[in-house]
Amino acid sequence: EPEVTQTPSHQVTQMGQEVILRCVPISNHLYFYWYRQILGQKVEFLVSFYNNEISEKSEIFDDQFSVERPDGSNFTLKIRSTKLEDSAMYFCASSGQGLSYEQYFGPGTRLTVT
Amino acid sequence: KQEVTQIPAALSVPEGENLVLNCSFTDSAIYNLQWFRQDPGKGLTSLLLIQSSQREQTSGRLNASLDKSSGRSTLYIAASQPGDSATYLCAAPRSSASKIIFGSGTRLSIRP
Repeated sequence: EPEVTQTPSHQVTQMGQEVILRCVPISNHLYFYWYRQILGQKVEFLVSFYNNEISEKSEIFDDQFSVERPDGSNFTLKIRSTKLEDSAMYFCASSGQGLSYEQYFGPGTRLTVT
Repeated sequence: KQEVTQIPAALSVPEGENLVLNCSFTDSAIYNLQWFRQDPGKGLTSLLLIQSSQREQTSGRLNASLDKSSGRSTLYIAASQPGDSATYLCAAPRSSASKIIFGSGTRLSIRP
């Protein structure tokens, strides 16, 4: 069964460093998303991406964040200058155009900023 | 603005019991409603998705219902097992490809 994959599973970085989180969505899907979950808190929406552009973003998704689909298969989230409060689990999701538009989630990348 | 609430926040029951988890949402204009399971420190496992036009969905010992008019969904777990221990999240998007709004979850513990 097709699945969304994410790499790395765990990333440790120092405050102020840039990180890139990678996702491979399901191959025939057209809509892509990033969510994050700070430890002990709700899963929060960050950004959605369709047709090579951002379709919606939350107030969390400020100028420090960017997304890209560089090669038609990968979908990346870049954080330019990480802060301690960026420590969280980051989930990528994708959906197609089937009846349900169900979003399929990847296993997540745990980002720890020290 | 959509708000999704789950009650109770935590639940502990002995093995074998049937139980109900509740989810409520403030905006009935949802496209579908999804229930997820999350084990500690792990990702999201989709359990059931109910389309807005449907009333319920079943998968094995799980049954989810949806009442859009009252802004409620329930997840019924039959004959609970220790392996069912996890956090259960409900979530709903407003339209077909829009963001999902998550509840804060119910942390379920099944005692052997």
